[in-house]
Amino acid sequence: SAVISQKPSRDICQRGTSLTIQCQVDSQVTMMFWYRQQPGQSLTLIATANQGSEATYESGFVIDKFPISRPNLTFSTLTVSNLSPEDSSIYLCSGTGGSYEQYFGPGTRLTVT
Amino acid sequence: QKEVEQNSGPLSVPEGAIASLNCTYSDRVSQSFFWYRQYSGKSPELIMSIYSNGDKEDGRFTAQLNKASQYVSLLIRDSQPSDSATYLCAVGLVSGTYKYIFGTGTRLKVLA
Repeated sequence: SAVISQKPSRDICQRGTSLTIQCQVDSQVTMMFWYRQQPGQSLTLIATANQGSEATYESGFVIDKFPISRPNLTFSTLTVSNLSPEDSSIYLCSGTGGSYEQYFGPGTRLTVT
Repeated sequence: QKEVEQNSGPLSVPEGAIASLNCTYSDRVSQSFFWYRQYSGKSPELIMSIYSNGDKEDGRFTAQLNKASQYVSLLIRDSQPSDSATYLCAVGLVSGTYKYIFGTGTRLKVLA
């Protein structure tokens, strides 16, 4: 299994600013994903982070709001831009190996004031 | 629209009993199936994966897959209070790229 770290673990940001979340995997993974989880709800896929190219975004998520980078196989960043209180959520990154088993980082809890 | 459905619960079972969690999915091209456990305030933890019809056992956990009925279940034998958590069913499929669709989760309470 992959061990995935994220930072920061939590942050409080002001409206209109941006937050960049980093995700590091301890071994090479085939796929990396970014999810959002609202309190008491399930996981919603934001995008697939593609190595060296633009991320693949799900319906309702756009690159201008959620720019993602993945410069190599073990590292990715998600930026949440122009923050509003509706962006308050937990953001999770995950990595998947050859067996398609997906492992999650500990999450980043974002509060927008 | 691709969907994964679970009963939200809570499902309450006494300690030592078998807990049965169910999940149905709508997309017939779904290829891989997973159960995650999520404790409050924590990220999801993978507990079982299953890829072909039938049963797969791992310790106290058994996953069952029936692709014809588009149904996957998780049995937890000898349930313990520490099993109390939300259990998420996830389906992996190709839709443009490979992705995962999560159910809304079933909250399990094991009563001591």
